[in-house]
Amino acid sequence: AQSVTQPDIHITVSEGASLELRCNYSYGATPYLFWYVQSPGQGLQLLLKYFSGDTLVQGIKGFEAEFKRSQSSFNLRKPSVHWSDAAEYFCAVGSAFNNAGNMLTFGGGTRLMVKP
Amino acid sequence: DVKVTQSSRYLVKRTGEKVFLECVQDMDHENMFWYRQDPGLGLRLIYFSYDVKMKEKGDIPEGYSVSREKKERFSLILESASTNQTSMYLCASSPPHGRGGKRGNIQYFGAGTRLSVL
Repeated sequence: AQSVTQPDIHITVSEGASLELRCNYSYGATPYLFWYVQSPGQGLQLLLKYFSGDTLVQGIKGFEAEFKRSQSSFNLRKPSVHWSDAAEYFCAVGSAFNNAGNMLTFGGGTRLMVKP
Repeated sequence: DVKVTQSSRYLVKRTGEKVFLECVQDMDHENMFWYRQDPGLGLRLIYFSYDVKMKEKGDIPEGYSVSREKKERFSLILESASTNQTSMYLCASSPPHGRGGKRGNIQYFGAGTRLSVL
């Protein structure tokens, strides 16, 4: 069975500083990987996804993530954090079911706080 | 844009009540999902459905049931609500494989229903 670990429950960074959120997964085949963001009181919004090909993927809001197979990681980065980036971030791995689509297994989430 | 609408943002119910959480999507997606979200545990899959009247158990189905009578609507039912079902519930939908390539893997989420069982 697949699993996702986000080692950092909370992270605080200063506005303008760089950010890296860690994600490690366990999956037997080539994974489909996702990062979602959840603003307070909201549902989840897709930031970016990795299906195949280039291991560095670009997403919305200036985020990027790098798939490293050897490390089973898919870390999320942003060069300069804005106060509006304060939210909870979820990493997820997708697995196929009955040719209909994919189920997602989520990590526990990382809550990002941004200091002015 | 895909829109997934959950009928209530907040619900307060009493122990033992039967509770219905409703979810509607407007993108003709075959797949629909119900998750519960708890601090530190991320999202855990309760049930999913890949077609009308079809359902599959997820990781934590105990105490829940679902109904999918129409393609656009997926209901989560708590037959007899208990305090340990106090949580945030999230609905999602996705297209199947084969439509739009691997877009079938992307799930689109509603805003969530925060349920308190007293």
